Amino acid sequence: GAVVSQHPSRVICKSGTSVKIECRSLDFQATTMFWYRQFPKQSLMLMATSNEGSKATYEQGVEKDKFLINHASLTLSTLTVTSAHPEDSSFYICSAEVIYNEQFFGPGTRLTVL
Amino acid sequence: DAKTTQPTSMDCAEGRAANLPCNHSTISGNEYVYWYRQIHSQGPQYIIHGLKNNETNEMASLIITEDRKSSTLILPHATLRDTAVYYCIAKTGANNLFFGTGTRLTVIP
Repeated sequence: GAVVSQHPSRVICKSGTSVKIECRSLDFQATTMFWYRQFPKQSLMLMATSNEGSKATYEQGVEKDKFLINHASLTLSTLTVTSAHPEDSSFYICSAEVIYNEQFFGPGTRLTVL
Repeated sequence: DAKTTQPTSMDCAEGRAANLPCNHSTISGNEYVYWYRQIHSQGPQYIIHGLKNNETNEMASLIITEDRKSSTLILPHATLRDTAVYYCIAKTGANNLFFGTGTRLTVIP
């Protein structure tokens, strides 16, 4: 199956700093990538949909100025959490859409903000 | 997208078939039934999807009732590595995935 990678797998940062998470489709090109967030013992929540070469579409309640998404190429999308605070600590997961509208997910990035 | 209802948790003995039910009574004609699973602290894994015919792949079988109001995911020979949260999602091709609470399957030795 299609492989999606994320980097880093886990990151710890101080409150107020910005963190960038990369999502790459390794063996295919993805015109659409998705970013999800998952808090402990909860389900995945879609944050935004990212299309190559255009602005991301954010779900209701997700601050676009805080969660910056860049989808510069067909194999790379980045999520930058700006001025991170402890409440932003979560498991961030990306996915890429391929044929038949299947989404393949990355392994996730665990962000801890101190 | 249609709402889906799944049991919160299930147990299955190792080596036996695991049958995970899902109700989607309000599913529309152009909505597919997708199944994903999430092993602890990993990203979700695609399992299978179908529209109205039963489907089978190397991982599982998907049985959809004739009225499409419910479906069952079957793992034919469950192993300990199948312990995960299983999500049943009804969606059209154009819409996004919405993850509900899923079923926590525990495979018991």
